[in-house]
Amino acid sequence: NAGVTQTPKFQVLKTGQSMTLQCAQDMNHEYMSWYRQDPGMGLRLIHYSVGAGITDQGEVPNGYNVSRSTTEDFPLRLLSAAPSQTSVYFCASSGTSGMIPNTGELFFGEGSRLTVL
Amino acid sequence: AQSVTQLDSHVSVSEGTPVLLRCNYSSSYSPSLFWYVQHPNKGLQLLLKYTSAATLVKGINGFEAEFKKSETSFHLTKPSAHMSDAAEYFCVVSVKDSNYQLIWGAGTKLIIKP
Repeated sequence: NAGVTQTPKFQVLKTGQSMTLQCAQDMNHEYMSWYRQDPGMGLRLIHYSVGAGITDQGEVPNGYNVSRSTTEDFPLRLLSAAPSQTSVYFCASSGTSGMIPNTGELFFGEGSRLTVL
Repeated sequence: AQSVTQLDSHVSVSEGTPVLLRCNYSSSYSPSLFWYVQHPNKGLQLLLKYTSAATLVKGINGFEAEFKKSETSFHLTKPSAHMSDAAEYFCVVSVKDSNYQLIWGAGTKLIIKP
């Protein structure tokens, strides 16, 4: 029972490089999201999706891109990495409840620690 | 605007003593409230949730929280701390007028002294 799987767990980039963080879930959840976690700031929502082909911006979307071609996968792309994007990134998914897009019961991956030099 | 305030960034208790982690929220609508736990270098896990049923909510690992509308609080408690409770705890609110996006508190780090 894999749940939410994120890869890679660790990555070091140079400023200006691009990369993709992968996220896959096997729970048939419609709602998927990406957060970044920085010390003392809790979790901040980057992008989210309420189903295949539907994405929207969260609180801190600049510098990141997402797509949702399947229910299972929700990759996060860093277009041109900057030191300010050094963080721990979490992917999370949730089921839906009627018209409510996410139940608040999030299932998290184990995180991807990104360092941008 | 909706917000969540965790009143303590760090809480230190001795093993076997009670735990109290404080959370206040502001919301125009009846909220759903959650507590999540994050053990060191791990992902987050749902501890418990309140969704307008019983105001006293029981979660995993002996934790519980009480929703007090008059005080706009949702404090997390445990009668007796265990070393394995050392972690960071996040209070989270979900409200209809924010399209049910989750609003996260900054977190409280729980330290357990032997």
